[in-house]
Amino acid sequence: DTAVSQTPKYLVTQMGNDKSIKCEQNLGHDTMYWYKQDSKKFLKIMFSYNNKELIINETVPNRFSPKSPDKAHLNLHINSLELGDSAVYFCASSQEGMKETQYFGPGTRLLVL
Amino acid sequence: AQKVTQAQTEISVVEKEDVTLDCVYETRDTTYYLFWYKQPPSGELVFLIRRNSFDEQNEISGRYSWNFQKSTSSFNFTITASQVVDSAVYFCALNTFADYKLSFGAGTTVTVRA
Repeated sequence: DTAVSQTPKYLVTQMGNDKSIKCEQNLGHDTMYWYKQDSKKFLKIMFSYNNKELIINETVPNRFSPKSPDKAHLNLHINSLELGDSAVYFCASSQEGMKETQYFGPGTRLLVL
Repeated sequence: AQKVTQAQTEISVVEKEDVTLDCVYETRDTTYYLFWYKQPPSGELVFLIRRNSFDEQNEISGRYSWNFQKSTSSFNFTITASQVVDSAVYFCALNTFADYKLSFGAGTTVTVRA
């Protein structure tokens, strides 16, 4: 009965490759997010989708492309991976609205070699 | 723009000591929400509490308590009688109507020694 799940949990890949991270939530939430946590543990939002529509797009290289096939799923595709992309990527979901609590997935640890 | 400052990078205590984590926020909005999350060594982010800007009542949940003071723009978190399982990184976060996104502080690493 996992609320927000992500796959894979770990991802080790070579520079230049393309990879995807999948996220699914079974909470019935309308809004989903991607966050990046760097090596200093700093958390920063990357994207947010509400009912499959992009509502937040922070200053993220266009090598990163989110895709929401339905409101329960938000995937992150990364092209031409670079060393600096190594981080932990968290998916989260919430009901619509800034007052709503965001619930996070377990994170995907990406290591680019 | 919104900003959250957690000035304490690391705190180390001995079990059963109390520990207080400071959180100072900046926003021009009058309507906003504050959150605390816990990230244990296993890595997941666990929601602890949400507080809106119109509710300055302090809150207690077991050994955890929160002190919200609008006058000083602070939302501090105290763990009473700390335990080893409290060892984690704790994040304070802010969401506002204008910005519509969650802004996190840099986190405070708490280490509780047996």
